[in-house]
Amino acid sequence: DAKTTQPNSMESNEEEPVHLPCNHSTISGTDYIHWYRQLPSQGPEYVIHGLTSNVNNRMASLAIAEDRKSSTLILHRATLRDAAVYYCILIVGAQKLVFGQGTRLTINP
Amino acid sequence: NAGVTQTPKFQVLKTGQSMTLQCAQDMNHNSMYWYRQDPGMGLRLIYYSASEGTTDKGEVPNGYNVSRLNKREFSLRLESAAPSQTSVYFCASRFPSTDTQYFGPGTRLTVL
Repeated sequence: DAKTTQPNSMESNEEEPVHLPCNHSTISGTDYIHWYRQLPSQGPEYVIHGLTSNVNNRMASLAIAEDRKSSTLILHRATLRDAAVYYCILIVGAQKLVFGQGTRLTINP
Repeated sequence: NAGVTQTPKFQVLKTGQSMTLQCAQDMNHNSMYWYRQDPGMGLRLIYYSASEGTTDKGEVPNGYNVSRLNKREFSLRLESAAPSQTSVYFCASRFPSTDTQYFGPGTRLTVL
């Protein structure tokens, strides 16, 4: 399965933007990039996904590099409720999600 | 619209006991999944079902069996529980047009 690399942890302040990076240098042309997050003691929650173009939704934005070897999840104005583990995942073939260890995001008040 | 529901929420077993974890979804999705999550780790796929009547092994299937009872329900059975199966178990279903998976709240299982 295609691999992604994320920093183990990041920290930011409330009401500031947060940029969460992900490297996926072995991505193939048809792999979609998905982001999920997991709040404490909850199941993972879908955040956003994209293929080539940058994407926006009510939760976040996804910026995809032109060569698609990396992407960045952008939370425009972080709140305390955004503290979670964020997973960057490539969807391959049989639609199975392969989770890495993700990035633990801490938001300081 | 409850989404994905799982029962029970918590369970404690003794080594060698058996139990079945239940999962149901009301979104009319064909594909359903069982994952386990050990402390500090990402989720790992145990089994999945692409449609009613089919099941396939994931990354860590040993010690588990599954049943896709109908389109709504996908159960996970531990025939003889072991301490190594202490984990949080998540069920998910997939929305096909975006490949988005929707997860249940999890079952926290402890095997003594």
